[in-house]
Amino acid sequence: DAGVTQSPTHLIKTRGQQVTLRCSPISGHKSVSWYQQVLGQGPQFIFQYYEKEERGRGNFPDRFSARQFPNYSSELNVNALLLGDSALYLCASSLDRPNSGNTIYFGEGSWLTVV
Amino acid sequence: GNSVTQMEGPVTLSEEAFLTINCTYTATGYPSLFWYVQYPGEGLQLLLKATKADDKGSNKGFEATYRKETTSFHLEKGSVQVSDSAVYFCALSPSGGSYIPTFGRGTSLIVHP
Repeated sequence: DAGVTQSPTHLIKTRGQQVTLRCSPISGHKSVSWYQQVLGQGPQFIFQYYEKEERGRGNFPDRFSARQFPNYSSELNVNALLLGDSALYLCASSLDRPNSGNTIYFGEGSWLTVV
Repeated sequence: GNSVTQMEGPVTLSEEAFLTINCTYTATGYPSLFWYVQYPGEGLQLLLKATKADDKGSNKGFEATYRKETTSFHLEKGSVQVSDSAVYFCALSPSGGSYIPTFGRGTSLIVHP
């Protein structure tokens, strides 16, 4: 079975541009979350969606937005890119509604470089 | 707020040495605790987890015990291999609210032959 798939794997954008990152969860998984991982740091939570509704939002500016589609795939959008947005963006999925003990499965991430 | 503190890396060991990576946490209630591993160029993979106090998570020779009294979840392995070289992340998921996980900064492990 396919794991969590993300696209694109690598991209370079210019400051001020907009970017859309895509994620397909594991088949049957209904919860998707997004994380930003800056080099040398642990993942920082951005958004969590379950059944197409936002269930959690991290401490990120409004330039960051996301949505989940009826097939449970998801997109992360970042507007007005800054150099500091350069990072690995990870998508993760889990089977059920958000819960403390849920196992979440990560994709390999999208490397974003802002120049 | 919730937080996870891991020992600074890199941890450098010879093959077959004993490994300990320390992790302590701050959270209210009874969070679930996790260790994830990240190999170069890849996403995170769940290594093990424990969902209540005194539980021991184990996988691939790695172990960690949920210690509520010391708010710790230290990762151990009796005999490391070169293939264990990676970055290890400790994480918690709170027992209420929106269950948003908090990750530590990661500890790099380098194992030499």
